[in-house]
Amino acid sequence: DIQMTQSPSTLSASVGDRVTITCRASQSISKWLAWLQQKPGKAPKLLIYKASNLQAGVPSRFSGSGSGTEFTLTISSLQPDDFATYYCQQYSSKPYSFGQGTKLEI
Amino acid sequence: EVLLVQSSAEVKKPGDSLKISCKASGYSFSTYWIGWVRQMPGKGLEWMGILYPDDSDIKYSPSFQGQVTISADKSTSTAFLQWSSLKASDTGLYFCARTSASQYPDYWGQGTQVIVSS
Repeated sequence: DIQMTQSPSTLSASVGDRVTITCRASQSISKWLAWLQQKPGKAPKLLIYKASNLQAGVPSRFSGSGSGTEFTLTISSLQPDDFATYYCQQYSSKPYSFGQGTKLEI
Repeated sequence: EVLLVQSSAEVKKPGDSLKISCKASGYSFSTYWIGWVRQMPGKGLEWMGILYPDDSDIKYSPSFQGQVTISADKSTSTAFLQWSSLKASDTGLYFCARTSASQYPDYWGQGTQVIVSS
């Protein structure tokens, strides 16, 4: 099974900051990676698929990059609504697996 | 519009059985994989398994194989997650999610809270 590891686990930032979250896979997953945002008690929301493709309706301040085993999610200028927990998920091979999450806090 | 509407919260006792549901609308239910994800209190997301309604092909995570049953009813466009004997450790928030043709989770249900307590 493929293990996904995110860093950092917690990230403190301010409105307007540029932040980057990293996700590493235990083996190559090509570009089969999604990034999701979750707020407390709510369903996750898809932000990015296939490592770098922005889901419709997601602000362009979100971007993703990477391939193989290392991936990043970048938020170019943090907005108040962006403070949430972010997860990566690989969908290269079943069982599909999530990273442990990165909590972005003020 | 794609919608996944899950059943309401449940409070059960250890040993009880339970079946929660996820009703889909706005797309061809039979031709998209649909999966289940667990979130234990204060914890991250865990992928449980996935089902293809058209032929009932099911893939479970090894962590959940034998612990739960995933099924679907094509006639009502509804997916199910079932336990035969609940444990306190099954307490959590359970989400269904449609999987796109490329296998990423593009639409999510609102979640069903399951509390198992004596």
